[in-house]
Amino acid sequence: DAGVIQSPRHEVTEMGQEVTLRCKPISGHDYLFWYRQTMMRGLELLIYFNNNVPIDDSGMPEDRFSAKMPNASFSTLKIQPSEPRDSAVYFCASGGAEQYFGPGTRLTVT
Amino acid sequence: AQSVSQHNHHVILSEAASLELGCNYSYGGTVNLFWYVQYPGQHLQLLLKYFSGDPLVKGIKGFEAEFIKSKFSFNLRKPSVQWSDTAEYFCAVGRGSTLGRLYFGRGTQLTVWP
Repeated sequence: DAGVIQSPRHEVTEMGQEVTLRCKPISGHDYLFWYRQTMMRGLELLIYFNNNVPIDDSGMPEDRFSAKMPNASFSTLKIQPSEPRDSAVYFCASGGAEQYFGPGTRLTVT
Repeated sequence: AQSVSQHNHHVILSEAASLELGCNYSYGGTVNLFWYVQYPGQHLQLLLKYFSGDPLVKGIKGFEAEFIKSKFSFNLRKPSVQWSDTAEYFCAVGRGSTLGRLYFGRGTQLTVWP
């Protein structure tokens, strides 16, 4: 198995631009999670899905963030418009009782 | 609310020293317990896990952890650390009755000097 796949691995964008992060979970995993990691706030859970349905989005910082999971093999996290304070590493994880993390997307908003 | 506490923010050791990282959680029900490791510039990787049974769990790379239910603790140990163990270590707790969300501690940065 290739593990959790995320793209892009690095993204540099200007403030105000739309950013879309992508995730392909491990096949057969029912849960998908989006996390954000920064030095200041550590690892934060943004949202998670069960069988493609959003279960808890209370960690999404504000309306500029949205996430979708149109099918069992794909999810997106969109930030529109992006701001410098969104700069972080965004991880996708999949699993059930335990979670497996993807390599992350390092986002820099200038 | 569920919380996970890792007492040490940064631990510095010399090679061959013994390691113990503390982890306490606040949930009173059945729990699933995990330690993840994040090497510099990499993603989180599962180090070991506890669901039930023997409270002493052995993981990869010589790490082990002990679940003490009465103390709501799941401390990570290694008898002799190596330079390559330099990483950030995260404790995580899931509610045993339901799958899904894990609650992560803030992490402990371990630096091992050769």
